[in-house]
Amino acid sequence: EAGVAQSPRYKIIEKRQSVAFWCNPISGHATLYWYQQILGQGPKLLIQFQNNGVVDDSQLPKDRFSAERLKGVDSTLKIQPAKLEDSAVYLCASSPVRNTEAFFGQGTRLTVV
Amino acid sequence: GQQVMQIPQYQHVQEGEDFTTYCNSSTTLSNIQWYKQRPGGHPVFLIQLVKSGEVKKQKRLTFQFGEAKKNSSLHITATQTTDVGTYFCAGLGGAGNMLTFGGGTRLMVKP
Repeated sequence: EAGVAQSPRYKIIEKRQSVAFWCNPISGHATLYWYQQILGQGPKLLIQFQNNGVVDDSQLPKDRFSAERLKGVDSTLKIQPAKLEDSAVYLCASSPVRNTEAFFGQGTRLTVV
Repeated sequence: GQQVMQIPQYQHVQEGEDFTTYCNSSTTLSNIQWYKQRPGGHPVFLIQLVKSGEVKKQKRLTFQFGEAKKNSSLHITATQTTDVGTYFCAGLGGAGNMLTFGGGTRLMVKP
């Protein structure tokens, strides 16, 4: 079974630039999560989708972050404009059923300079 | 909002020694999950506990869920170098019943 795919693996951008991350969850998984993991900390949930609807985005900085999950499969997370404090690993995860075992992708390491 | 705290932040042990990490939530949890993240890797699911007072074992790992469903622990017996990594608990609860990760306990094992 293929795992959660994310791209790119690494990205370096200057502050105030924009960036987008892509995630392809495990086939058939209805729930998709985007997490931000700052070095030395636990993952912080940014947004959770159930199929193509948003379940929770209370911790998403909506003035600069946006996410969508078209057709309930792939998802993209965008940051515009980026700030230095956005430097982190962005992890995508999926679950067959909401709030059960989450399968994580390898993540995208973002460095904002 | 819901907070999940883990202690200790770091633990160095000699190979063969035991290890325990503790997880405490500010709110009562519906369930608690444990994940392991190897250095440079991504979190990998270990187990989910649902019932008050539940105890589950996976080989040398023992997981407990507190009676009040606000705390949990992971105990590793006779650590091995392959146990190296950061162990996270993630509690489901609070407003919106969302999954909140603790800060993790980083385990280092000296051979």
